[in-house]
Amino acid sequence: NAGVTQTPKFQVLKTGQSMTLQCAQDMNHNSMYWYRQDPGMGLRLIYYSASEGTTDKGEVPNGYNVSRLNKREFSLRLESAAPSQTSVYFCASSLKNTEAFFGQGTRLTVV
Amino acid sequence: AQSVTQPDIHITVSEGASLELRCNYSYGATPYLFWYVQSPGQGLQLLLKYFSGDTLVQGIKGFEAEFKRSQSSFNLRKPSVHWSDAAEYFCAVGTPTQAGTALIFGKGTTLSVSS
Repeated sequence: NAGVTQTPKFQVLKTGQSMTLQCAQDMNHNSMYWYRQDPGMGLRLIYYSASEGTTDKGEVPNGYNVSRLNKREFSLRLESAAPSQTSVYFCASSLKNTEAFFGQGTRLTVV
Repeated sequence: AQSVTQPDIHITVSEGASLELRCNYSYGATPYLFWYVQSPGQGLQLLLKYFSGDTLVQGIKGFEAEFKRSQSSFNLRKPSVHWSDAAEYFCAVGTPTQAGTALIFGKGTTLSVSS
């Protein structure tokens, strides 16, 4: 049972490049989330999704887009990466109103 | 707006000593409360949670936390710290949304354990 799987684990982008972070869960959870973690800031919610085809903005959505491809997969896209998006990105999933389970994170550096 | 405050950025505790990590929250209704732990380079692991009922909750690895509504607090405790407890600890409040429970995190407390 893999839980929440994120790919890639590490990525370096040049300013202006685009990329998609992938996330998949095998726990049959309805809800999925994307967070970013920055030193001294804790984790901040970027986007979340209640079910396939539905997404909502979190605290820091600017510069990101998401797609809930199916129940298992929730991707995060950076259309034009900026140095301010250098961060560690975590995907999480949960049943409704229960604890969230987190992936191992993607460490992204934008130069 | 909901918020979580962890007043201590960094705490050092001797191995075998007791530990208390503080957490205060701001939320209008009865909150869902969580403590997560993160080891370096790893994801977050749930230590314990409070949804309702008994205000003293037990978690994994010998941790416990007490919900005090009057103080808006959810402090994490452990009677005897082990060197392997060195990590970063995050308190979070769950805000029910259409999607489920979106978590608002505190900024974290880094625990160091000295021998």
